[in-house]
Amino acid sequence: AQKITQTQPGMFVQEKEAVTLDCTYDTSDQSYGLFWYKQPSSGEMIFLIYQGSYDEQNATEGRYSLNFQKARKSANLVISASQLGDSAMYFCAMREGNTGGFKTIFGAGTRLFVKA
Amino acid sequence: DAGVTQSPTHLIKTRGQHVTLRCSPISGHKSVSWYQQVLGQGPQFIFQYYEKEERGRGNFPDRFSARQFPNYSSELNVNALLLGDSALYLCASSPHPGQGLGTQYFGPGTRLLVL
Repeated sequence: AQKITQTQPGMFVQEKEAVTLDCTYDTSDQSYGLFWYKQPSSGEMIFLIYQGSYDEQNATEGRYSLNFQKARKSANLVISASQLGDSAMYFCAMREGNTGGFKTIFGAGTRLFVKA
Repeated sequence: DAGVTQSPTHLIKTRGQHVTLRCSPISGHKSVSWYQQVLGQGPQFIFQYYEKEERGRGNFPDRFSARQFPNYSSELNVNALLLGDSALYLCASSPHPGQGLGTQYFGPGTRLLVL
């Protein structure tokens, strides 16, 4: 069965430093998509970055990059130059399926604390 | 352009009652998904709809149902509410349900409290 694992319940990082949030996944599908979302205390879910299973290059979006290692089934999020506003919950998610049906599953999340 | 909108923002119900949650996707988006997020956990997938047809279903009881309208808005219905149904219900829209084109954008959610 498909599964997303985020092993870090909480992470601390100093402002302006880089931080890596871990995510591993398990699927038997060849075609799938991987996502990272940020959820501040307000509750909104903010899309950060997407990686397709067939994409050969790692995705980047501004200060966010996704370290995609397909053979190891990992999709770690790297945030460079952390800012105080980055303090939030971060969720890794995977979508798999085909035109007959799709399913998206989320990990348990990692709470990031950015220290001044 | 307006983002995903959900109504109501907050709701209090008692056990056994019925609830209807509403979602309007981003203009041009034809796929809507529903998620339940219990406090302290990640979102759990409930349904995905595309072009008014159910395209995906999570592991939820039949008390949960949904539908999508011709304007691509959607309703999530929950019957016979239980205390455990208390959660943040998130709606997400995307242009197309498939991966690659399936980046989802979430609404602010509806906070349901069942007493």
